[in-house]
Amino acid sequence: NAGVTQTPKFRVLKTGQSMTLLCAQDMNHEYMYWYRQDPGMGLRLIHYSVGEGTTAKGEVPDGYNVSRLKKQNFLLGLESAAPSQTSVYFCASTDPGGDTQYFGPGTRLTVL
Amino acid sequence: AQSVAQPEDQVNVAEGNPLTVKCTYSVSGNPYLFWYVQYPNRGLQFLLKYITGDNLVKGSYGFEAEFNKSQTSFHLKKPSALVSDSALYFCAVRDPFGSGGYQKVTFGTGTKLQVIP
Repeated sequence: NAGVTQTPKFRVLKTGQSMTLLCAQDMNHEYMYWYRQDPGMGLRLIHYSVGEGTTAKGEVPDGYNVSRLKKQNFLLGLESAAPSQTSVYFCASTDPGGDTQYFGPGTRLTVL
Repeated sequence: AQSVAQPEDQVNVAEGNPLTVKCTYSVSGNPYLFWYVQYPNRGLQFLLKYITGDNLVKGSYGFEAEFNKSQTSFHLKKPSALVSDSALYFCAVRDPFGSGGYQKVTFGTGTKLQVIP
């Protein structure tokens, strides 16, 4: 049982490039989330999904897109990366009605 | 709107001494409160939660937290700190009245705990 995994662990992009971050969970959780973590700002919710085929915007969705084609996977896309998107990105999941979020190890993204 | 405040960016404590990491919250209705810990280069890990019942909640690694409704606080405590407790600690509050099947979770900005040998 791997829990929540994220790929890649690190990435450096140039401004304007695109990339996709992959989150996978093997706990059969319905809900999945993408957060970004920046110094002094805690975690901020980018997008979330309450089930396969559904997505919704969080607090800071601009510049990001997501997809949940399979229940176990939640993809975060950056179509045209900007330096302001330099951050550490965390994926998490919970069961409906569950209280605890299970986090992945994070992806450290630098946009030059 | 719900919010969480962690007033201390960093807390230093000597090994063996008791530790407290502070958290205050604001939410409509009865709060669901959580503490998470983050070790370097890792994701957040669940420590403990308060939903209802006893105001003193016990969690992983010997940590506990006290819910105080009148002071809207949920401070994290441990009787005797270990060097291995050094990490970043996040308090979080969940809105029990979410819409669309989603109950929003708001995280604090985190408190770095440094336990000195």
